[in-house]
Amino acid sequence: DARVTQTPRDKVTEMGQEVTMRCQPILGHNTVFWYRQTMMQGLELLAYFRNRAPLDDSGMPKDRFSAEMPDATLATLKIQPSEPRDSAVYFCASGLTRLAGGPTYNEQFFGPGTRLTVL
Amino acid sequence: GDSVTQMEGPVTLSEEAFLTINCTYTATGYPSLFWYVQYPGEGLQLLLKATKADDKGSNKGFEATYRKETTSFHLEKGSVQVSDSAVYFCALSDQVRGSTLGRLYFGRGTQLTVWP
Repeated sequence: DARVTQTPRDKVTEMGQEVTMRCQPILGHNTVFWYRQTMMQGLELLAYFRNRAPLDDSGMPKDRFSAEMPDATLATLKIQPSEPRDSAVYFCASGLTRLAGGPTYNEQFFGPGTRLTVL
Repeated sequence: GDSVTQMEGPVTLSEEAFLTINCTYTATGYPSLFWYVQYPGEGLQLLLKATKADDKGSNKGFEATYRKETTSFHLEKGSVQVSDSAVYFCALSDQVRGSTLGRLYFGRGTQLTVWP
């Protein structure tokens, strides 16, 4: 049963510290997405990759956030320095472009999330 | 741009009641449509999908029909259970063609609580 894995599941840190979140996409998937979920904003797309290349990171605060895919089995999201307003649940999702008798579409599979608390 | 609007929650029902959660979309092309479910403390899970007009997606007693004429994809279930309590997200995916990106656009989510 293939799943997206994320580590850590929970992270509590102090303002100003660096935070790194990791994601292992499902083997064979060619897209990876990072989302942030808060009560106020709901689900926000931060960044995503196709075939390890960044396609769009316009949803990400560039001054403190960075996302990378050093290889096909690992995606990272880094916050430096962290701030209390970054407290949220961060989800990674992976997907596979699929033909469906017409236009292609991108079904996504979500990881369990990293709950980040910045004090 | 592409977007999804779903009914505001929370929705509270008694067990065995009928459920409808409304979802409408705006898209320039021919999107695929999805319903995702999020149980407490977990990530989103795909519940059902439909890839073209008049398709009906179904899973675990839930159904939704892709209505192009009304740009809707309403989620229904004939008899809800306590275990259906969760947050439900409607989403669309634009086409992956050339420069288009194939990302998902999510609604705000609808909290469903089912009481025994």
